[in-house]
Amino acid sequence: DTGVSQDPRHKITKRGQNVTFRCDPISEHNRLYWYRQTLGQGPEFLTYFQNEAQLEKSRLLSDRFSAERPKGSFSTLEIQRTEQGDSAMYLCASSSSSGNSYNEQFFGPGTRLTVL
Amino acid sequence: QKEVEQNSGPLSVPEGAIASLNCTYSDRVSQSFFWYRQYSGKSPELIMSIYSNGDKEDGRFTAQLNKASQYVSLLIRDSQPSDSATYLCAVHSGTYKYIFGTGTRLKVLA
Repeated sequence: DTGVSQDPRHKITKRGQNVTFRCDPISEHNRLYWYRQTLGQGPEFLTYFQNEAQLEKSRLLSDRFSAERPKGSFSTLEIQRTEQGDSAMYLCASSSSSGNSYNEQFFGPGTRLTVL
Repeated sequence: QKEVEQNSGPLSVPEGAIASLNCTYSDRVSQSFFWYRQYSGKSPELIMSIYSNGDKEDGRFTAQLNKASQYVSLLIRDSQPSDSATYLCAVHSGTYKYIFGTGTRLKVLA
């Protein structure tokens, strides 16, 4: 297993369009996180899954954002009616709740979204 | 008060010197602490984790944790130009919550 993967790596869209990103976590990891990062800031928490259950969603997240992890493996993040303020790097990370490296979170390469 | 605070830098050190990066956090029940390195335009890469008070060494990196002072630091020995990056401190509190600082930009001068 080579780590967390994300697709696409770059997305350019027009304001008002919907976009969907995919994340494939490290296979043995049961926890999956989505973050958003803008220039000069640290990653900002968006949502968290343990297996297929979405256990937490940031209050900062509007109703335009939705995430799923249907079978407890890959996850998708959808943004509806995109706005220019949604332009950012969207990061996915995964971790395990057990084992020697528990709680160590590993990031994928990210999806850079540009909304025109 | 921010939950995780880091000096944004840039911190400039000459090649071969020790770089010292600092982080303070506000949540006393925080349990796990992490340092990530992030190159410009790339995603964060985990370089150190620390859970107990004291020092933890891994190669040229040493993480130091003082829970009483709510302080965690990262030392990079024999700094190389390739260490030039932004270093993010992350604090884990509870089941899901990871809080990141804004990062310290390190410049290692050849």
